[in-house]
Amino acid sequence: GESVGLHLPTLSVQEGDNSIINCAYSNSASDYFIWYKQESGKGPQFIIDIRSNMDKRQGQRVTVLLNKTVKHLSLQIAATQPGDSAVYFCAENADGGFKTIFGAGTRLFVKA
Amino acid sequence: KAGVTQTPRYLIKTRGQQVTLSCSPISGHRSVSWYQQTPGQGLQFLFEYFSETQRNKGNFPGRFSGRQFSNSRSEMNVSTLELGDSALYLCASSLPGLAADTQYFGPGTRLTVL
Repeated sequence: GESVGLHLPTLSVQEGDNSIINCAYSNSASDYFIWYKQESGKGPQFIIDIRSNMDKRQGQRVTVLLNKTVKHLSLQIAATQPGDSAVYFCAENADGGFKTIFGAGTRLFVKA
Repeated sequence: KAGVTQTPRYLIKTRGQQVTLSCSPISGHRSVSWYQQTPGQGLQFLFEYFSETQRNKGNFPGRFSGRQFSNSRSEMNVSTLELGDSALYLCASSLPGLAADTQYFGPGTRLTVL
């Protein structure tokens, strides 16, 4: 069946370094991908999205890369800050966009 | 613009009881989705509503149901609660559209079943 997963369950980085969080998806028909950040006690917060007709999209300090050939998605965070510490989820929209499938999540620790 | 609100924030129930959770979407958003989040299973899709109609449903038993009202507010109900239903239940809203739109999540309702 379709699924979205993550390569690394935890990631620890030094403050100021760049972070890269990876994600694999299995549904080649998915055409919309999203990264969410979830802090303790809060709901997931939208970070950045990308549609399948693109392979790169940049936001403020974040970049999402999409490789449809190998069904891989990544989130790059530049100059990682302590406030970036959270669980990050990748997600894909399936079934015409009415259903979002989330990956397992990666916990990012930022060391000061 | 106010965000997605969910009530109650915390709830404790016992096995066999039923529970109703409420979600108010962002003003103007007509699509509401519900998710269950547990440490073991992660975020799992429950169902999605648009204009009072359920458009998609996840793989949950019939004990889980929902509805949406004309003002886009949504409720979900879980009957005959089981210990395994303990979870954070998240609601997300988005603008209408044929293509996927960004979902905005509420803070969730933490349900504990004893």
